[in-house]
Amino acid sequence: GAGVSQSPRYKVAKRGQDVALRCDPISGHVSLFWYQQALGQGPEFLTYFQNEAQLDKSGLPSDRFFAERPEGSVSTLKIQRTQQEDSAVYLCASSTIEIQGPSPLHFGNGTRLTVT
Amino acid sequence: GIQVEQSPPDLILQEGANSTLRCNFSDSVNNLQWFHQNPWGQLINLFYIPSGTKQNGRLSATTVATERYSLLYISSSQTTDSGVYFCAVERNTDKLIFGTGTRLQVFP
Repeated sequence: GAGVSQSPRYKVAKRGQDVALRCDPISGHVSLFWYQQALGQGPEFLTYFQNEAQLDKSGLPSDRFFAERPEGSVSTLKIQRTQQEDSAVYLCASSTIEIQGPSPLHFGNGTRLTVT
Repeated sequence: GIQVEQSPPDLILQEGANSTLRCNFSDSVNNLQWFHQNPWGQLINLFYIPSGTKQNGRLSATTVATERYSLLYISSSQTTDSGVYFCAVERNTDKLIFGTGTRLQVFP
């Protein structure tokens, strides 16, 4: 597609429910990132994939958070047993890999998760 | 880890005014990007600028890597420029670290 697509756009979950957030990166983009953005703050890194390999998951806040990208394209961020502190906007971004170094990051519109 | 500080935290302008936003970072970086987050939450990449100067219409950016800062210039501001501007840096880790942001409001 033309840009990074995320779904759902909004998600309301009751505390304790599991949720799954989807990201469709730009076609051909090798790198995929998940970020979490709390209200009034900058995005914070969660995890990074290069194709299907999860190369960095150091930002995942707990073992309730799990991400996958099994075929190197679409990615899913799953949060188990949601807590109120998980309420935030979850942003997905993708980029190419250039020989000369990093390349610009392109973000989706995000999924706003509210845990009640 | 790298610390990224942006100033000013808030900026209010009248349409047509010029402004300069600053990003300071605490260590050398190999990647620096400026983003604009519009009032609907969409993050748009403005510049990939680890060093040097780039211009795109009314926006330009300069990064002085040796002195660990970057500047974003907005000329002849418009109401559509409103939103939050983020600077983000990376040092050999593949993950961008975002600054605290500058919230810009442009009034007609």
